[in-house]
Amino acid sequence: AQKVTQAQTEISVVEKEDVTLDCVYETRDTTYYLFWYKQPPSGELVFLIRRNSFDEQNEISGRYSWNFQKSTSSFNFTITASQVVDSAVYFCALRLDTNAGKSTFGDGTTLTVKP
Amino acid sequence: GAGVSQSPSNKVTEKGKDVELRCDPISGHTALYWYRQSLGQGLEFLIYFQGNSAPDKSGLPSDRFSAERTGGSVSTLTIQRTQQEDSAVYLCASSLASGQDVFSNQPQHFGDGTRLSIL
Repeated sequence: AQKVTQAQTEISVVEKEDVTLDCVYETRDTTYYLFWYKQPPSGELVFLIRRNSFDEQNEISGRYSWNFQKSTSSFNFTITASQVVDSAVYFCALRLDTNAGKSTFGDGTTLTVKP
Repeated sequence: GAGVSQSPSNKVTEKGKDVELRCDPISGHTALYWYRQSLGQGLEFLIYFQGNSAPDKSGLPSDRFSAERTGGSVSTLTIQRTQQEDSAVYLCASSLASGQDVFSNQPQHFGDGTRLSIL
């Protein structure tokens, strides 16, 4: 069975603070893919990043960075110097090669960045 | 347009009526997915299509739910005899396949969803 846990339901920060969104996943498969999506108040989910199970290299894209650690089954997402426009619901998702059509999403973390 | 298009954007209907939700994926995307998102909840997988076939229907909540896809493009999700617990936002997504219909590594592109309210 596959499972994704985003323990933080809601996070509130003040603009310019750094914030980390946690994602812990469970799977027995060795080949899998992890994703982060952003759902702003407008509603449409937007793809942010993909990471495969064989690539533990961390990634930085502007103010966004991702820390993938297989040893702890975690794929955490950090926003540096947060901005009001970062306010959204963020979802972590897991897909397996053996069941490619079915993505398992976490329940999401609602991030509010206050000015 | 270039993105995934869903219609209607909002649907209000009485309990017991049938509803049909439509999804028009991005051109060329062979994989299509339906999810349900209840208020404040994550995404619940319903069904996916690879071309016109649906290899995994395990997420459909009951036999009142069905979906089809024709011509490898447009998909419709039908809910018969709607119940109040069916109220949710129904999201459609599509993705490319990368070689031999592998698409597990492909990001999904989502539509704006259909907000369904059952009175």
